[in-house]
Amino acid sequence: GESVGLHLPTLSVQEGDNSIINCAYSNSASDYFIWYKQESGKGPQFIIDIRSNMDKRQGQRVTVLLNKTVKHLSLQIAATQPGDSAVYFCAENISQAGTALIFGKGTTLSVSS
Amino acid sequence: DTGVSQNPRHKITKRGQNVTFRCDPISEHNRLYWYRQTLGQGPEFLTYFQNEAQLEKSRLLSDRFSAERPKGSFSTLEIQRTEQGDSAMYLCASSSGTATDTQYFGPGTRLTVL
Repeated sequence: GESVGLHLPTLSVQEGDNSIINCAYSNSASDYFIWYKQESGKGPQFIIDIRSNMDKRQGQRVTVLLNKTVKHLSLQIAATQPGDSAVYFCAENISQAGTALIFGKGTTLSVSS
Repeated sequence: DTGVSQNPRHKITKRGQNVTFRCDPISEHNRLYWYRQTLGQGPEFLTYFQNEAQLEKSRLLSDRFSAERPKGSFSTLEIQRTEQGDSAMYLCASSSGTATDTQYFGPGTRLTVL
């Protein structure tokens, strides 16, 4: 699988590999985090979310890990498929204060078969 | 389709013209948001409604921008005297206002100002 420790703007993997996309968030007061997938010409699509009282959450083929100590978030995609090719954004929010999502830098995932 | 819808999907206008976009949120979602996204960047927050009340506005929302949600359902975003720098994707999102409060996005309106 492909693993990166720091945010990279692009990630290229082979079909069937596991992908890991990293994100550093900015506000230590943020308590809600979301990963979105955005395909070309479309709006962001919700993938998975996690609250700050958790450090791991699993969905279908996706896992989100949260490390509050270093303000780091990662998205793991198992058995990556060509349909996973898109730009992935993490977003943070302070649920008790404001409602605006703050988006991180996107990562373009390219899956080749 | 019960998701967030936006119209038009694409708008091309000349500099100085006014444009208006519409967003229909997911049914019964009481929160509605507008974001702007430029090429290669993540969405940036513009403004937010709780029912018909506009509760938060970003500094990005200049005086030429106005948003309304008169009946607490659909919303409109108007840009007056458009400038080339207004060219972007305008995204609408809605959420239920519950503890989870996940924001679900529409397909966006792509604005091109010539």
